[in-house]
Amino acid sequence: DSGVTQTPKHLITATGQRVTLRCSPRSGDLSVYWYQQSLDQGLQFLIHYYNGEERAKGNILERFSAQQFPDLHSELNLSSLELGDSALYFCASSAAGGDYGYTFGSGTRLTVV
Amino acid sequence: AQTVTQSQPEMSVQEAETVTLSCTYDTSESNYYLFWYKQPPSRQMILVIRQEAYKQQNATENRFSVNFQKAAKSFSLKISDSQLGDTAMYFCAFTLVWDDKIIFGKGTRLHILP
Repeated sequence: DSGVTQTPKHLITATGQRVTLRCSPRSGDLSVYWYQQSLDQGLQFLIHYYNGEERAKGNILERFSAQQFPDLHSELNLSSLELGDSALYFCASSAAGGDYGYTFGSGTRLTVV
Repeated sequence: AQTVTQSQPEMSVQEAETVTLSCTYDTSESNYYLFWYKQPPSRQMILVIRQEAYKQQNATENRFSVNFQKAAKSFSLKISDSQLGDTAMYFCAFTLVWDDKIIFGKGTRLHILP
């Protein structure tokens, strides 16, 4: 157990639907990062939150949004889902930045049918 | 923009052999960190080793070591006495000192054969 908790582990939904992925960072970590892992794209950075504030955005679609709550857990919202959104979504946390690497959760496997 | 390239999509070696995974990166900055992450079939991302760019000494963690060539922008991972449990996808990754996000390569799938 890495200390980073992601739920659910698997999600199957239909095109056009909306889903919410949840992440609880490791105890004491203030930073949460979201990554998308597709078969042909590797890990793509989506967004970074630090202590409730958005710090950086990567290649995140407008249909996707995220937030970090006062208890530091984070949610990634994916709407108007398309087949191409099927991927493994990782949450990672760190005390601050990425200098010492991140601690990753076990990911949420999203399948859009 | 920073990029990380792993030129070997897939590799196979016999158990107990030594294997080297290649990684090159591109940046105009001088202060950064480099990482190798392992993703076994369980899909959990595990940090294997970390290198600070300002340190010339190559990082070592048990059977895992790196060959860091800053001028060549090369960061290879050597796995000695490979074990079946080393079978995984290996990702080379990079982050600038002032940048919080880590950029990953596309990975090398490593098979350790019995």
